[in-house]
Amino acid sequence: ETGVTQTPRHLVMGMTNKKSLKCEQHLGHNAMYWYKQSAKKPLELMFVYSLEERVENNSVPSRFSPECPNSSHLFLHLHTLQPEDSALYLCASSAESNYGYTFGSGTRLTVV
Amino acid sequence: AQTVTQSQPEMSVQEAETVTLSCTYDTSENNYYLFWYKQPPSRQMILVIRQEAYKQQNATENRFSVNFQKAAKSFSLKISDSQLGDTAMYFCAFMKHGNAAGNKLTFGGGTRVLVKP
Repeated sequence: ETGVTQTPRHLVMGMTNKKSLKCEQHLGHNAMYWYKQSAKKPLELMFVYSLEERVENNSVPSRFSPECPNSSHLFLHLHTLQPEDSALYLCASSAESNYGYTFGSGTRLTVV
Repeated sequence: AQTVTQSQPEMSVQEAETVTLSCTYDTSENNYYLFWYKQPPSRQMILVIRQEAYKQQNATENRFSVNFQKAAKSFSLKISDSQLGDTAMYFCAFMKHGNAAGNKLTFGGGTRVLVKP
């Protein structure tokens, strides 16, 4: 347990479904991140939240919608996904420093 | 924009031996941070070692050490006395200097390390 918890661990959803991924940290960090990890591709930064404000949206399709209600929680709302969106979605958090991120264990998403 | 390149997709090493993973990066920044992360089959990314670019001394954490060559923009990781638990994907990563939260971490493509008994 690293202090960043992601749920669910696995998710299978149809292309017309709506689901949400949840990330929670109690490390006192004030920045949170969503990364997408696909097979044979580098980790792709999707969204960055600093002090609950979105500071980066890396040209992510609108079918992915992030939400950061407070500094401890981050959500990724999913709707009308495509099979190519199947991947491991990693959440991370960091403090106001340059000591790197603390990652969760990820949600393995399969879109059928 | 920064890029990070790991040229070795996969490496294997005998238990107790040493393996070195290469990483090169491209940046116009002078102050930055470099990291190596480990991702075992459990999927959790774990920080292995961190290097500050303005420090000439190479970072060391137990059996893990780096060879940081700033002019060559090279940042290799050496795993000494390899153990079966070292089997994992290893990612090199770059972060610009800055104190604000939300500072981006850019990753390389990863190197899969297999430690054989």
